Amino acid sequence: GDSVTQMEGPVTLSEEAFLTINCTYTATGYPSLFWYVQYPGEGLQLLLKATKADDKGSNKGFEATYRKETTSFHLEKGSVQVSDSAVYFCALSINAGGTSYGKLTFGQGTILTVHP
Amino acid sequence: NAGVTQTPKFRVLKTGQSMTLLCAQDMNHEYMYWYRQDPGMGLRLIHYSVGEGTTAKGEVPDGYNVSRLKKQNFLLGLESAAPSQTSVYFCASSGRDSGANVLTFGAGSRLTVL
Repeated sequence: GDSVTQMEGPVTLSEEAFLTINCTYTATGYPSLFWYVQYPGEGLQLLLKATKADDKGSNKGFEATYRKETTSFHLEKGSVQVSDSAVYFCALSINAGGTSYGKLTFGQGTILTVHP
Repeated sequence: NAGVTQTPKFRVLKTGQSMTLLCAQDMNHEYMYWYRQDPGMGLRLIHYSVGEGTTAKGEVPDGYNVSRLKKQNFLLGLESAAPSQTSVYFCASSGRDSGANVLTFGAGSRLTVL
């Protein structure tokens, strides 16, 4: 079946450090890939997405590139802030039989803590 | 614009009790979902709906039932709660026009079964 594997956390960084959170996937079809973020006490929010190979999703200084050859979608940010402290989830969605609704398969989540 | 609203936000049940979680969305979305979130396991899909009056099983449907009598509402029921159902439950919705696989989530409902 389809699955998403994220790097083990938690990740602790100092403000302005470089961030990478690894994400790899296995899928029977051709997935769309997502990063969602969950701030403390809140639901998940879409951070960025990519729908085909070599696409780069970006938002709020975060970037991720859809790499079909390595089945990866690693999240990066050049300079993190304290406000980026949250749980980050990598996810995929596959259109099954032409049906366009989106059931997502999530990774286990990576907790990021950024210190001043 | 409220988005996706879940009630209640917190609930404590005893084993064997029943309850219903309510999800309401005001975005006229066609698709709705119930996920559960457990530590170290990410989110897992319980049930979903592709339209009013239709529901389908997700990855972990056992012990839960759902109903979508109105387009804007998606109810998750536990007929006989078990400690294994202690979790945080998230409702989400998505729309054909805004992107079926771009989900908007509610703030979550934390359920504890003693």
